[in-house]
This record gives sequence, structure tokens and C-alpha cells, in this order.
Amino acid sequence: DQQVKQNSPSLSVQEGRISILNCDYTNSMFDYFLWYKKYPAEGPTFLISISSIKDKNEDGRFTVFLNKSAKHLSLHIVPSQPGDSAVYFCAASLYQGAQKLVFGQGTRLTINP
Amino acid sequence: GAGVSQSPSNKVTEKGKDVELRCDPISGHTALYWYRQRLGQGLEFLIYFQGNSAPDKSGLPSDRFSAERTGESVSTLTIQRTQQEDSAVYLCASSPRGGAGVEQYFGPGTRLTVT
Repeated sequence: DQQVKQNSPSLSVQEGRISILNCDYTNSMFDYFLWYKKYPAEGPTFLISISSIKDKNEDGRFTVFLNKSAKHLSLHIVPSQPGDSAVYFCAASLYQGAQKLVFGQGTRLTINP
Repeated sequence: GAGVSQSPSNKVTEKGKDVELRCDPISGHTALYWYRQRLGQGLEFLIYFQGNSAPDKSGLPSDRFSAERTGESVSTLTIQRTQQEDSAVYLCASSPRGGAGVEQYFGPGTRLTVT
């Protein structure tokens, strides 16, 4: 039962353009959402997060949007840079209950010069 | 400061052997997590420690998997009688405290290959 889904395994974007990574979830009890970035042979690193009480959170070139009614969130990167090429994981956690993060399958983003 | 470290970085073992994976969390982090990532899949939660107790073991796939933690320090994940389906990257993360929304800091992982 995949509770967090990233339906696009890969995405290719030209440098300078906007990258949009999407994530859907099925569990309405999820209260907090995070995006992690992973380079090869390294562990994931935290990028940005959003609480369910908000619908947008911005940090520099990165913005996360949350649509609770659609159970959908997206990560926007603008402008995209070559160093943004990595695998991006969406994750969700419950307000109450387990402390674990539930991850999506990841989307490999490639920024072309 | 030093991040989360894991050892070994790579481990190849024969089916049926036992393996032990080690995680050194960031100093002072009370919460520690183990995940695994199979090829082409997302990270799958295995177990969570708060201090040296494990309030959530719900992700351990079978009784061949066990983990322990010494105080608020090193953790070891042990897989007994390894099977080919255990092949994955095993990731450890730590955080200053447990709880939803607390950022987890990941180590580089141990790539386990069972032949």
C-alpha cells in the first residue's frame, strides 16, 4: 500500500526554467510534508517542508505547495540549476502516532545546460 | 560537526549468512531511524529509537531483522540468515528529538548485496 506516490520516475528540465515535482498521498492523517534531495552515494538531505495548516512555503529558489483537498503537493524550483540534478523524495509524517517518515519512490531530476 | 556515519559502506554476503550494519548518529541526537531502499523504490521505514528504546518497530520485515542501540549513541541493525530479497541500501538517520516534522539527518547508507 503506497501511501505516498511520486508518479514521475524522471524529469528533464532546461537550465534556467522551472522544475515542478509532484507528489500525491492517500492518508488524510498526514500532517507534515517534507522534500528530500539525494545525490548518488549520499544519504538524502532535507530541502524544505510544509505543515498541513499552510498551503505554501518558500525558501529561496524552492517553493512547496500543498493542496489538502486533492491530497497533492508539489515542489517548484526556479530557476533550475545544474546542481539541482538529483533524486527528489517526497515524505509525509503523522501528527500523532509513529515518528516515521513515509517516503515516495522518488523522481530523478536532470537539469540540462 | 560530524554527520551521521554508517559502516560498512558496502557489504556483499552469501545467502544464509548473518550481517551487522552500524550507525553512528550525530552527537546529542536522541532519535535514530533505520530505513531501507530497494532498487527503484522509495525509502521504507524499519525501526525508530528514542534513546535506547524502540517505540516503533513496525517496519521490520521479519524476525530475521533486529536492531539495538547503546544509550543515545551507536545502533546496529542485524539481519540473520540473509536472503536475496534483503539486498538494498540500508539508511540510518538521526534527529535531535522524535516527532512529526522534525528534520531527520541521513547517513550515506550501507549497500548490502546478498548473493
